[in-house]
Amino acid sequence: DAGVTQSPTHLIKTRGQQVTLRCSPKSGHDTVSWYQQALGQGPQFIFQYYEEEERQRGNFPDRFSGHQFPNYSSELNVNALLLGDSALYLCASSPLDSYTEAFFGQGTRLTVV
Amino acid sequence: RKEVEQDPGPFNVPEGATVAFNCTYSNSASQSFFWYRQDCRKEPKLLMSVYSSGNEDGRFTAQLNRASQYISLLIRDSKLSDSATYLCVAVNTGTASKLTFGTGTRLQVTL
Repeated sequence: DAGVTQSPTHLIKTRGQQVTLRCSPKSGHDTVSWYQQALGQGPQFIFQYYEEEERQRGNFPDRFSGHQFPNYSSELNVNALLLGDSALYLCASSPLDSYTEAFFGQGTRLTVV
Repeated sequence: RKEVEQDPGPFNVPEGATVAFNCTYSNSASQSFFWYRQDCRKEPKLLMSVYSSGNEDGRFTAQLNRASQYISLLIRDSKLSDSATYLCVAVNTGTASKLTFGTGTRLQVTL
């Protein structure tokens, strides 16, 4: 079992650009959540997807959007990148509402210059 | 005020020491609590759940005090391999398994 996989592992983008990050959940998991972790901070919840719908959203602007595909994999899109978007982006998968079984991917480290 | 608050540390302790971390939460609707461990530049991993009755796993003991909205983690006989950031997590089961993290407490165990 490959667990939760994210791609790419590292990414450098310029202010104003757009970025897409990808996540493949652990086998048997149908729910995907995305978190942003700035340096020295804990992860902050961005949103959660289940059955291809955004189920809940944290306090992030509309520049952050996502998608879930029929195979449960997910994408996080960020438009009009700001320097403050530089962070580790973490994907977590779980069975629906089973937070004790949430597993995180290794993350994508995004640097905006 | 942050929903989950922790002392960021760092806590520098010698090998074999006992160290305790504290965490407070402000949302009284929070119903489930966890400690996660995060190694440098890695993803968080679940360390243990936290219950009012206390929860022990080897050298690790977690405790929840709902009246004070306070969570603790005790590590006995610290090992070099315990060096990491420890994240306190609250879950409000009304919000569909969203994990609310504290900023984390950094622990450095030295020889």
